Amino acid sequence: RKEVEQDPGPFNVPEGATVAFNCTYSNSASQSFFWYRQDCRKEPKLLMSVYSSGNEDGRFTAQLNRASQYISLLIRDSKLSDSATYLCVVRRGGNKLTFGTGTQLKVEL
Amino acid sequence: EAGVTQFPSHSVIEKGQTVTLRCDPISGHDNLYWYRRVMGKEIKFLLHFVKESKQDESGMPNNRFLAERTGGTYSTLKVQPAELEDSGVYFCASSQPGQGVNNEQFFGPGTRLTVL
Repeated sequence: RKEVEQDPGPFNVPEGATVAFNCTYSNSASQSFFWYRQDCRKEPKLLMSVYSSGNEDGRFTAQLNRASQYISLLIRDSKLSDSATYLCVVRRGGNKLTFGTGTQLKVEL
Repeated sequence: EAGVTQFPSHSVIEKGQTVTLRCDPISGHDNLYWYRRVMGKEIKFLLHFVKESKQDESGMPNNRFLAERTGGTYSTLKVQPAELEDSGVYFCASSQPGQGVNNEQFFGPGTRLTVL
């Protein structure tokens, strides 16, 4: 079983739609949680950290449920420029990051 | 401020040859990491340097891979001899000194390695 599991998609949504991605992690010792964004043939870039209380950054909302070992990302009013692969990432301890395979999002006109 | 840079951007070699990848971290970043994405799989951790010391090399696949960071600045990752399964994208990342949830890792553009 992978340590971080994501639905690979693709999620094809119209512009303006709301879309949600989910992720589960297997190691209860995981300490920190992130969503990264990766454009085609580019490097991953940090989108946002995820906190237990939930956090929002503009159109993006991330939530963490430690009891269920579940992380989510909600994108509201999606834009064409949101098309990318969204990577769920956890850090157990130290600085090593563990990545999910990513969920591909395509926002269409 | 310049980001993490990697060289070369692409490398095509034959099985059995040697390849050396280079990473220049962001200036002042003591932490340097190597990750790899093999086609169809997730990005996986290879190793972590703190300055010139290997902090964690638990992700290195085997002894054909050798990473160095002499002087604690740039790092090289050598694959010798290369095998077909080494093909993939090798990412380097760096972060500021220390640990913690706010210690963001900044990734370089990657080196795409193809072994024929």
